[in-house]
Parts: sequence; C-alpha cells; structure tokens
Amino acid sequence: SQTIHQWPATLVQPVGSPLSLECTVEGTSNPNLYWYRQAAGRGLQLLFYSVGIGQISSEVPQNLSASRPQDRQFILSSKKLLLSDSGFYLCAWSWRSGANVLTFGAGSRLTVL
Amino acid sequence: DAKTTQPNSMESNEEEPVHLPCNHSTISGTDYIHWYRQLPSQGPEYVIHGLTSNVNNRMASLAIAEDRKSSTLILHRATLRDAAVYYCILREGIQGAQKLVFGQGTRLTINP
Repeated sequence: SQTIHQWPATLVQPVGSPLSLECTVEGTSNPNLYWYRQAAGRGLQLLFYSVGIGQISSEVPQNLSASRPQDRQFILSSKKLLLSDSGFYLCAWSWRSGANVLTFGAGSRLTVL
Repeated sequence: DAKTTQPNSMESNEEEPVHLPCNHSTISGTDYIHWYRQLPSQGPEYVIHGLTSNVNNRMASLAIAEDRKSSTLILHRATLRDAAVYYCILREGIQGAQKLVFGQGTRLTINP
C-alpha cells in the first residue's frame, strides 16, 4: 500500500529565516506530487505540482519554491520567510493516470513570528 | 481554470440525508469531479469522484447532472462525524499535466 510522509509536523520560525518542508511517498512510482497551503480559516491554495523529477509547475507568484530531486520526494523551500507565509502546508500525491485522486499527508503547521 | 461554486455552509440533523450541491458550469469533457472533506486540523480526505455516471461508495453517493454542469454529494444518513468542510473540485488538464484546484468548500454542521 502507499503511504505519504510529511515533516516537520509543526515549526515556528522567525521572519527572514529559511524554510524546508519535506514530503516523501512510499509504495508507488512516478506519482504526481502537490503542495497546498491553507491560511487560518481559509480554503486550500495550490502552490506547486510536479509530474516528474525536476518538473515543477508554480501556481502563484510567491516567496516559496519547490523541488523534486527524486521520484518520490517533494521539497518546499524558502530563503527568507515572511509573516504571510504562516499556514498549514499539505503535501499530496496522486497516480499519474486515471482520475488523479489525491491522498494528503498529515500537514505541516508553520508559524512565522 | 474551471471553477466550482458551493454554498458556504449547510446544516442538517443527525441520521437524516444530506445533499451537498456543486455547480461547475465550465466543466470540460475530460474533467473528473472530485469530492473531499476536511476535519479541523487535518488534511483533506477523499470522499468520491465521477466523470459522467452516478457513483456510490461506502461513504457517499455522487449524482452528476446529465449536462455535467452540476453535481450533488449525498450522505445517506449523516452522523456527527460527518461534520466537516466539503470540497467539490475538478481534475483539470491533459494527461501528464493534471491539477486539482480547491475552492472554499461547504461547511457542514450536523445537529444531534
């Protein structure tokens, strides 16, 4: 069976500090990978999605970047965090073909102070 | 991007059926309709999906209009654990470049 791991679960970072959130998927190959963000009390915003190693599509201009160094690894980064980067970050994967049903990780809650 | 429109909130009683509507008037022929739900402080959970025909699974039923411009998620007998935000979204794009964009969803409250 497939599992998705996301870490860290919680972090508090000062403004201007770097960020690295990691997501890995087990039990599948060639998955589509996604990063979403949810601000407090809001819906989910699609940040990045990837259909293969090194292939990243960015949905909104922002202070964040994503990388996919390995087939089942997806990393969300920032060089300098802003207060507005606070939120609940969710990684998800789907099969590449068919209906692309999403399976989400447990999420990483980021607070920027 | 194709979009979906849902009511901001709905309320129902325990053990009664719940019908959650979704409009997607700009849907294209290859767009799948997905439903997810999210409990507080958790990631969304897949509920059901469909393309053209009505679908049933252990969690819910999905009724898709003949013109595919709207759909309804049906919870046959709501429980308190069904209280969540329900998202109706479209799987857009061609094979190899698919994406799923969430809207604001419907906050479902279940009264005991």
